[in-house]
Amino acid sequence: DVKVTQSSRYLVKRTGEKVFLECVQDMDHENMFWYRQDPGLGLRLIYFSYDVKMKEKGDIPEGYSVSREKKERFSLILESASTNQTSMYLCASSLLGADYEQYFGPGTRLTVT
Amino acid sequence: SQQGEEDPQALSIQEGENATMNCSYKTSINNLQWYRQNSGRGLVHLILIRSNEREKHSGRLRVTLDTSKKSSSLLITASRAADTASYFCATDAYNDMRFGAGTRLTVKP
Repeated sequence: DVKVTQSSRYLVKRTGEKVFLECVQDMDHENMFWYRQDPGLGLRLIYFSYDVKMKEKGDIPEGYSVSREKKERFSLILESASTNQTSMYLCASSLLGADYEQYFGPGTRLTVT
Repeated sequence: SQQGEEDPQALSIQEGENATMNCSYKTSINNLQWYRQNSGRGLVHLILIRSNEREKHSGRLRVTLDTSKKSSSLLITASRAADTASYFCATDAYNDMRFGAGTRLTVKP
């Protein structure tokens, strides 16, 4: 079974802190994604990566950066956390190409106070 | 930006009844996928239907796709309390996947 793990289920940070969210997948998937999920807005793509050291902006990259130094690991960085970044963050991975499903991690609920 | 829009936003039924959820989208797609999310958890893939397919079945799930109307439906037959979850459609337009806001299904025992 594909497994996507995220470093924390719940996280509380203060405004202005630098926040790291880690995601690891164990199925050698090329693609990795970071989404945020807010009520009524569905999932919105922050960044994705299709290869090591490659990254592409999604719909809402402002205030975030990412790092992919190894194929299995994709990190989301909040450079200076703000209260409007309080959300559920979901990581996903998939094979490269057409007609592949995404496998999701359990999510990290981040609260910025 | 959202591509798929699910309808209804919320659905409440009794155990044993069928549940139908709809998804509409705006642009051409390569495939459409349905996912399920239990409360506070990650999404789990349910079924994928390609743009050249019209209907697909998986267990108690039946998905239809009408590309002329840019719409899809997910039918869950003989629902169970354990089917209580949020259901999302995701449109895949050549590696650009977009999720809707979801339908919240409650199945009462």
